Amino acid sequence: NAGVTQTPKFRVLKTGQSMTLLCAQDMNHEYMYWYRQDPGMGLRLIHYSVGEGTTAKGEVPDGYNVSRLKKQNFLLGLESAAPSQTSVYFCASTVVPTGNTIYFGEGSWLTVV
Amino acid sequence: AQKVTQAQTEISVVEKEDVTLDCVYETRDTTYYLFWYKQPPSGELVFLIRRNSFDEQNEISGRYSWNFQKSTSSFNFTITASQVVDSAVYFCALSEASYGKLTFGQGTILTVHP
Repeated sequence: NAGVTQTPKFRVLKTGQSMTLLCAQDMNHEYMYWYRQDPGMGLRLIHYSVGEGTTAKGEVPDGYNVSRLKKQNFLLGLESAAPSQTSVYFCASTVVPTGNTIYFGEGSWLTVV
Repeated sequence: AQKVTQAQTEISVVEKEDVTLDCVYETRDTTYYLFWYKQPPSGELVFLIRRNSFDEQNEISGRYSWNFQKSTSSFNFTITASQVVDSAVYFCALSEASYGKLTFGQGTILTVHP
């Protein structure tokens, strides 16, 4: 009964390094999302996907890329990390968005130095 | 564009006090969904409630209650007889119906002192 699993949970990166955050869900959900949480700003949507092979930009997509090659996985990539990308990243998923529960992962703490 | 505003940045109460967290939203959609999430110090997001735009019925769950008023675009959350374990950041969020994208308020930090 894993739900939404994010890896890694903690990571420290140097400016300019690249990394990928993995979100995996075992609930056969179509819709998946990546949010970032910064102090005093709540969560903001980075990218989302409405099904396997699809991706779309959210509110703050710059500096990030995503892929949804498999229905259960949604990857968030940082090609050249910047200190402004220091944040807590949350993945979420739902079966269809018409009022169903949106499940969140436990968060990934990323620090860029 | 959608917007969610939580009036209180921080609230501090003493145990057993009642506390209300305010949430006001803006949307042009006729169908939308409102949520409250709790984020304890451990960092995960805990789902508390979901309400759709056509259901203005207030809800009570134990010590928690929610007041949805479409006329004032508000979805307020009250904790009755607060406890130390209620200390957390609380987020109000709004979702549109098409893609389920959530717009969050900035959060209210609730501290309940013993």
